[in-house]
Amino acid sequence: GDSVTQMEGPVTLSEEAFLTINCTYTATGYPSLFWYVQYPGEGLQLLLKATKADDKGSNKGFEATYRKETTSFHLEKGSVQVSDSAVYFCALVPTQGGSEKLVFGKGTKLTVNP
Amino acid sequence: DAGVIQSPRHEVTEMGQEVTLRCKPISGHNSLFWYRQTMMRGLELLIYFNNNVPIDDSGMPEDRFSAKMPNASFSTLKIQPSEPRDSAVYFCASQTGNQPQHFGDGTRLSIL
Repeated sequence: GDSVTQMEGPVTLSEEAFLTINCTYTATGYPSLFWYVQYPGEGLQLLLKATKADDKGSNKGFEATYRKETTSFHLEKGSVQVSDSAVYFCALVPTQGGSEKLVFGKGTKLTVNP
Repeated sequence: DAGVIQSPRHEVTEMGQEVTLRCKPISGHNSLFWYRQTMMRGLELLIYFNNNVPIDDSGMPEDRFSAKMPNASFSTLKIQPSEPRDSAVYFCASQTGNQPQHFGDGTRLSIL
């Protein structure tokens, strides 16, 4: 079945360091891909998305590119801030668009120290 | 613009008691999802509705769990009887068309 595998955490970085969180997926067809972020005590918020191959999603300095050849959607940020400390979830929707359920990775906890 | 509203935010009760979690989706959204989050199992989809109709309840752990959506603006997730292993954070999310899901802030449930 469809699945998402993301980098095990936790990840601890210093402020202004470069961030990469790896995410690979297994799916039939052409899924849409997402990164969600969960701050402490809150629900998940959409961070960015990409709906087709070679699309780049970006938001708040974060980027991820939909790579169909490697079935990957790695999250990157050039310079992290303390406020980026959160849990990050990679997810897919098995079919493009429509009211389909999200398939989530297990989440990667990021801690950024000043 | 109100987001997804869940209540209560926290619930502590003794095992064997009935627990009811509530969710008000964003107005106009036609899909609603219930998730459970634990350290051990991560984020699991329990059930989702489309236009108030349950579409996939394969994630509901057992018969003690039930969910209803009597109208487009309200859904409940009920656990009866509750057990300590049901302790988790329960999230509700809503969606319209092919737009991303919007999550509520969750209900933190502790069963003693």
